[in-house]
Amino acid sequence: KNEVEQSPQNLTAQEGEFITINCSYSVGISALHWLQQHPGGGIVSLFMLSSGKKKHGRLIATINIQEKHSSLHITASHPRDSAVYICAVGVFYVPWGGTSYGKLTFGQGTILTVHP
Amino acid sequence: DAGVTQSPTHLIKTRGQQVTLRCSPKSGHDTVSWYQQALGQGPQFIFQYYEEEERQRGNFPDRFSGHQFPNYSSELNVNALLLGDSALYLCASSSLGYEQYFGPGTRLTVT
Repeated sequence: KNEVEQSPQNLTAQEGEFITINCSYSVGISALHWLQQHPGGGIVSLFMLSSGKKKHGRLIATINIQEKHSSLHITASHPRDSAVYICAVGVFYVPWGGTSYGKLTFGQGTILTVHP
Repeated sequence: DAGVTQSPTHLIKTRGQQVTLRCSPKSGHDTVSWYQQALGQGPQFIFQYYEEEERQRGNFPDRFSGHQFPNYSSELNVNALLLGDSALYLCASSSLGYEQYFGPGTRLTVT
């Protein structure tokens, strides 16, 4: 079983629909990231959260630490939202007097296609 | 602010050859992480550099090595290339916190 599981793997929607992508993880984490990747590869960080909820425009991300679960919501979806959405969890360490370090573990991604 | 930059954008190599990929971190960032993303998969952590030393490493063979320079830029080297090394290689930089900023990636094709 992967440490980070996303669902669904593929999602097709009509413009204007409300979209939810889910992420479950099995390890204790320091922070969870939602990332967006367009064809061609570049990754953009949408959110980093360790508790509660964050909102940016039409995007909302929530996390439940006790249940080890996070959701990414897109309201009023648009064709330009079509991309791969990736959940990544980070376990970070802060040595005394030093800077934090650690790695991200990624889910397999959700391919979102929004039709006009 | 140029953000994280990577070079080259694309390259094609033959099995057995060696390749060097380069990354310049976002201004003010001192930590560089490298990830490999095979087609249709999520990225996998290769290693992380801080203060010119490899601080953490993922499950990759010794053919994968790196370096960080005093200006915090970094190189990823892969020796004895295999067909399975074909992937998008992503560099991410960070500083003092958890948030990592990603570069556009280098797409490596091994034939």
